[in-house]
Amino acid sequence: AIQLTQSPSSLSASVGDRVTITCRASQGISSALAWYQQKPGKAPKLLIYDASSLESGVPSRFSGSGSGTDFTLTISSLQPEDFATYYCQQFNNYLTFGGGTKVEIK
Amino acid sequence: QLQLQESGPGLVKPSETLSLTCTVSGGSISSSSYYWGWIRQPPGKGLEWIGSIYYSGSTYYNPSLKSRVTISVDTSKNQFSLKLSSVTAADTAVYYCARHPGRSWDDAFDIWGQGTMVTVSS
Repeated sequence: AIQLTQSPSSLSASVGDRVTITCRASQGISSALAWYQQKPGKAPKLLIYDASSLESGVPSRFSGSGSGTDFTLTISSLQPEDFATYYCQQFNNYLTFGGGTKVEIK
Repeated sequence: QLQLQESGPGLVKPSETLSLTCTVSGGSISSSSYYWGWIRQPPGKGLEWIGSIYYSGSTYYNPSLKSRVTISVDTSKNQFSLKLSSVTAADTAVYYCARHPGRSWDDAFDIWGQGTMVTVSS
């Protein structure tokens, strides 16, 4: 099974900061990667699909990049509503999720 | 606006079978040619894909759970269901149903239900 390793597992940041989260796959997955945001007690929300395509309705401060084994989710200017846990998911070989990155207020 | 809602018992005894249903509203489960899936999340932990189904009944399962999982669809009720047999405490989790947006099961999930907590305990 393809494993996804997210780093860091948690981070502290301030409103307005640029935040970068990394997801590394245990083998190449082309661009078959999605990113989700999850707030406590809520279902995950799709942000990015196919590694870099922004889901409809998602603010443009979110962006994704990468292909093969290394991927990045970037929030260009962190907003108060962005404090949450973020997950990557691959769909190249079955479906697996990364362990999550919790973004906390500094 | 398409919505998904999970339903089923919140408490299941060890060794028994967990059964959940996802009801799709605001659209037909069969007319849209989408795939539908189940995902779970143990308390305080990450997400795990359980399996997915097409309205025709074609199923795709997580290899690690395949021996215990059955997913089925009832197009007349606009529902799809999950059965997980021989449950243990490790199966305690929030269970989500969701839709694959790309007309394939090997895809992301764009619409999710709110989730339902299932506890395995005697």
